[in-house]
Amino acid sequence: EIVMTQSPATLSVSPGERATLSCRASQSVRSNLAWYQQKPGQAPRLLIHGASTRASGIPARFSGSGSGTEFTLTITSLQSEDFAVYYCQQYNNWPPRTFGQGTKVEVK
Amino acid sequence: EVQLVQSGAEVKQPGESLRISCMVSGNTFTNYWITWVRQLPGQGLEWMGRIDPTDSYTNYNPSFQGHVSFSSDMSITTTYLQWSSVRASDTAMYYCARSTMVSDALDIWGQGTMVIVSS
Repeated sequence: EIVMTQSPATLSVSPGERATLSCRASQSVRSNLAWYQQKPGQAPRLLIHGASTRASGIPARFSGSGSGTEFTLTITSLQSEDFAVYYCQQYNNWPPRTFGQGTKVEVK
Repeated sequence: EVQLVQSGAEVKQPGESLRISCMVSGNTFTNYWITWVRQLPGQGLEWMGRIDPTDSYTNYNPSFQGHVSFSSDMSITTTYLQWSSVRASDTAMYYCARSTMVSDALDIWGQGTMVIVSS
């Protein structure tokens, strides 16, 4: 099973600032990596797939990068609606597909 | 617009059977996987497995295999997650989500079904 490790667990950021979230895979997942956003009481929402392709309707302030084992989600100029928990997920190997444990982005 | 609509919350006693559903509306039921994801209270996301609704081919996370099963009824574009005997540790939110046969990223999610197992 591929283990996905996200860091940091919690990121405190002021509105308007940049947030950088990391995700590391225990072995290569090529570019088969997705990022999801989850707000309290809501289902997750796909932000990024293929490591760097924004999903339909996702604002340009969200960007993904990386391949192999190291990935980054960057949110430029954080808006109030961006404070949430973010998960990475690999879909290169199964079973199972695996999620990271999440990074909570909170207001500083 | 494709939507995944899940069945309502359930409260069960340990040992009871349970089936929850996920209906796909707004598009063809074919060429997609339906994945089930568990979220324990206050915890992260766990990939339980997936089903091809057209032929009921399944892939299970070994951690869940043998305790849950997936099924599908194409005539009503609905997939199911079921337990023959629930336990307290099954208390969680369960989501269904769609992925395509090209990319297994989960692009559309249901609203979730809360399952509470308590005596």
